[in-house]
Amino acid sequence: DAKTTQPPSMDCAEGRAANLPCNHSTISGNEYVYWYRQIHSQGPQYIIHGLKNNETNEMASLIITEDRKSSTLILPHATLRDTAVYYCIVRGYSGGGADGLTFGKGTHLIIQP
Amino acid sequence: DAGVTQSPTHLIKTRGQHVTLRCSPISGHKSVSWYQQVLGQGPQFIFQYYEKEERGRGNFPDRFSARQFPNYSSELNVNALLLGDSALYLCASTLGRPNTEAFFGQGTRLTVV
Repeated sequence: DAKTTQPPSMDCAEGRAANLPCNHSTISGNEYVYWYRQIHSQGPQYIIHGLKNNETNEMASLIITEDRKSSTLILPHATLRDTAVYYCIVRGYSGGGADGLTFGKGTHLIIQP
Repeated sequence: DAGVTQSPTHLIKTRGQHVTLRCSPISGHKSVSWYQQVLGQGPQFIFQYYEKEERGRGNFPDRFSARQFPNYSSELNVNALLLGDSALYLCASTLGRPNTEAFFGQGTRLTVV
């Protein structure tokens, strides 16, 4: 699986959009980009994933650049409850049920009141 | 529906002892993975089981072992505990189909003294 690079921390004002970048310059054609977050002392929570098209769900939007070397997770209206560590993970096609995820250190997003 | 459940939530053991951690996946999920998260780091992949067979293993010593039962629940066993085994142990379940999201339990906090 390709390596990812994320800033160690970011601040965002409550009510504003939080934009979390991720660099994955060595991503290959069949690798997906996944985002998870982990609120203090809880298990990680799945947010969204995508291959090459932009994706949106009730939690967030995922914007993947055309060359797929980077992506941005967007939380449109951040609340205090969005304060967490956000992990960007690149994972290849996991046929056969092999689902091990490679977590880095993530970005600690702090939402300021 | 219940999410991924792990037991116990907290545990204190003495160096050299053995520990068994348990995980029940989401109903219908056939794949279970185990992760170790030490303070300040992202989760590290230990094992992945699918249909009762080991499908993946991270870089952990043989003191760590696991198994999956016919009802898809799983146990993680750690022998000869070391102080460095103190961590949050996370279980994740997936359907086992390619490129589906993983759902994590709240973890078992193991402290080795």
